[in-house]
Amino acid sequence: EVQLVESGGGLVQPGGSLRLSCAASGFTFNNYDMGWVRQAPGKGLEWVSTISDTGTSTYYGDFVKGRFIISRDRSKNTLYVQMNSLRVEDTAVYYCARAVSGSRWYFDLWGRGALVTVSS
Amino acid sequence: EIVLTQSPATLSLSPGERATVSCRASQTVGSYLAWYQQKPGQAPRLLIYDASYRATGIPARFSGSGSGTDFTLTISSLEPEDFAVYYCQQRNFWLTFGGGTKVEIK
Repeated sequence: EVQLVESGGGLVQPGGSLRLSCAASGFTFNNYDMGWVRQAPGKGLEWVSTISDTGTSTYYGDFVKGRFIISRDRSKNTLYVQMNSLRVEDTAVYYCARAVSGSRWYFDLWGRGALVTVSS
Repeated sequence: EIVLTQSPATLSLSPGERATVSCRASQTVGSYLAWYQQKPGQAPRLLIYDASYRATGIPARFSGSGSGTDFTLTISSLEPEDFAVYYCQQRNFWLTFGGGTKVEIK
C-alpha cells in the first residue's frame, strides 16, 4: 500500500525541540521530493518545508527562520523535520507529503498527520 | 509573499447542484495553481494542478480554470462526498495556500 506515516508528535514546552519522522512505503521514496505542511487547530494549511529527492536542496517557509531542519534517510525511506526553539504558535498538525513527480511544489500523497502541541 | 484569497468562505448547496469556488492571487501566478479537498479529520487530497489538470483518480465532475490572478474550481454536480473544505495553492513563488472555502449541505 502506498502510504506515509508520521510519528514523533506530542507536547513540548516553549523553547523546546521535537523531531518528526515520516515513514514512506509502497513507492520509490528516493525518486520523489518530499515536504511538510502544517495546520493549526481550526485553521488553514501552511507550507513548512520541502527537500529534493537527493536531499541536496532544502527550502523553508519564511516563518521557520532557521529553527527547523528537514532531512531524509534514503536507506530507511524516511523523512524528518527537526524543530527547535518551538513557539506556542507552532502548535499544529504536521503533515508529511510527497511532491508530484516533476513538480516539488504540489503534493499528491499525504500522511494522516502528527499533532504537535507547544504549551507550558 | 503571494496572498491567495478564496471566495466565498462558505458555500451552501444541495447535492446535484453546481459549485463554483474562486481563488484570487495578489500577483500573477501564471498557471501554477492547485486545488485540494479536505474532509474533517483527514489529510488534504490533491484535485487539480497547474490550474486545470486533474490529479490521478479525480472524477471528471471536478474541473479547474483560470490563469494569472483569477482561478475557479467547479464541481459540476455535487455528490454527498464532495461536501468538504477546498483550498487553492500557488507554486509560482515559493508556496502559499488560500484560506479555504467550506462547501456545506444546504
